[in-house]
Order: sequence, then C-alpha cells, then structure tokens
Amino acid sequence: QITLKESGPTLVKPTQTLTLTCTFSGFSLSTSGVGVGWIRQPPGKALEWLSLIYWDDNKRYSPSLKSRLTITKDTSKNQVVLTMTNMDPVDTATYYCAHLSVSYYGAFDIWGQGTMVTVSS
Amino acid sequence: QSVLTQPPSASGTPGQRVTISCSGSSSNIGINTVNWYQQLPGTAPKLLIYTNNQRPSGVPDRFSGSKSGTSASLAISGLQSEDEADYYCAAWDDSLNGQVFGGGTKLTVL
Repeated sequence: QITLKESGPTLVKPTQTLTLTCTFSGFSLSTSGVGVGWIRQPPGKALEWLSLIYWDDNKRYSPSLKSRLTITKDTSKNQVVLTMTNMDPVDTATYYCAHLSVSYYGAFDIWGQGTMVTVSS
Repeated sequence: QSVLTQPPSASGTPGQRVTISCSGSSSNIGINTVNWYQQLPGTAPKLLIYTNNQRPSGVPDRFSGSKSGTSASLAISGLQSEDEADYYCAAWDDSLNGQVFGGGTKLTVL
C-alpha cells in the first residue's frame, strides 16, 4: 500500500525559505518509471503543479517558479524534499506530494493528505 | 489563469448525466493524454480518470472520460449526492515541460 505524508512548517515569514519533506512508503524511488511530484492549492483556488523528480533523478519545475524551487530525493530514507525560496503571502497554500507511476502513464495516482503553509509576518 | 480551461461550475439532479469540459492547446491536450482528479470537500485530490478514458481500480463506471483534438471531457452518469466535489483536468505540456491543471469545476448535485 502506497502512502505519502508531507511535513514542514505551518507558518513562515515573508522572504524566508520553505523546506517541505515528503515521506513515503510502499514504493521505491529507485524503481524505473516512478516519480514524486509536488502540487499546491491556495485556499479556495485551483491546483498548481510545482515540481517533479523521477527515479533517475531527472527533475522538472514549473517555469513560473523555477528560479525559487529545488527538489531532491533521498532514496535510502524514502523522502523527497522541496525547497522554495523568498516566500511571499501569495504562496500561502496547502502543499501536496503525490506518487507518479508508469502504470498510470504519468498520472498522480496516490496523494498525501497535504500540509497547510501560511506566509505571514 | 490556468493553462487548461474548465467551466467554474456544473450542476445536475440525482440520476442525471453531466459533462465537464477541459480545453487546452496543441502543446498539451493536443499531443498528450488527459487525467481527471476528484477533490471532495476538505480532502486531497483523487485520481479519477487517466490516459483520457481509463478508470483506476475502484472508480465506478459511472465516470468516463474522452478526448478529441485539444479538448477533453469528463462525464458522470447516474449522478449521486456523493459526487458533489471539485473536478480537475490535467495534462503534460511539452512547451512548458511540466504538468498543467485546469482551473477546476465545482459540481453541485441539486
């Protein structure tokens, strides 16, 4: 059974760097075709894709946020870490990590519960 | 402004059939497959349809998807009260080299 859980601060100040960790079980990020993505959702608004890391360490970033994002994986710890620099109140959102499987042709088939991050001084 | 365009709302009565559209372009839906997600109030999104028209295990066959050109549709037949949720389409965009989502459609069961 695949599960993912996001963790990180609930409150960050403007200009600070946000570090979020996705801890997962039930799969290995060294298995061919597997990936983990990050998606966020501001309160009352739509989903926004942020970043994706594949089993082979290939990485993708949202073009609009690329300069602020870094995604890494620690296969031994079953974790994926996303950092976002220079946080702003507009970055207030629920942040989700999700499993991407070749079995579902690149769809996010399992999602974490999400973690709410508020950016405020 | 989302890359994929969905109507902000849709509605139907129990038992009815409703469809939700998703409009894209030649760099996303036109050349890549479409996935649909259902987000019940206060919960994380759930994969509903993948690769245009495939249902993951456990998703009722009341839900179906289709794609034509640069547009896709989600159809829900035999509408039930528990279908009241937000629905999002998504696809890979080759120009942006990333995933893109629609703005979401809030489905209300009257």
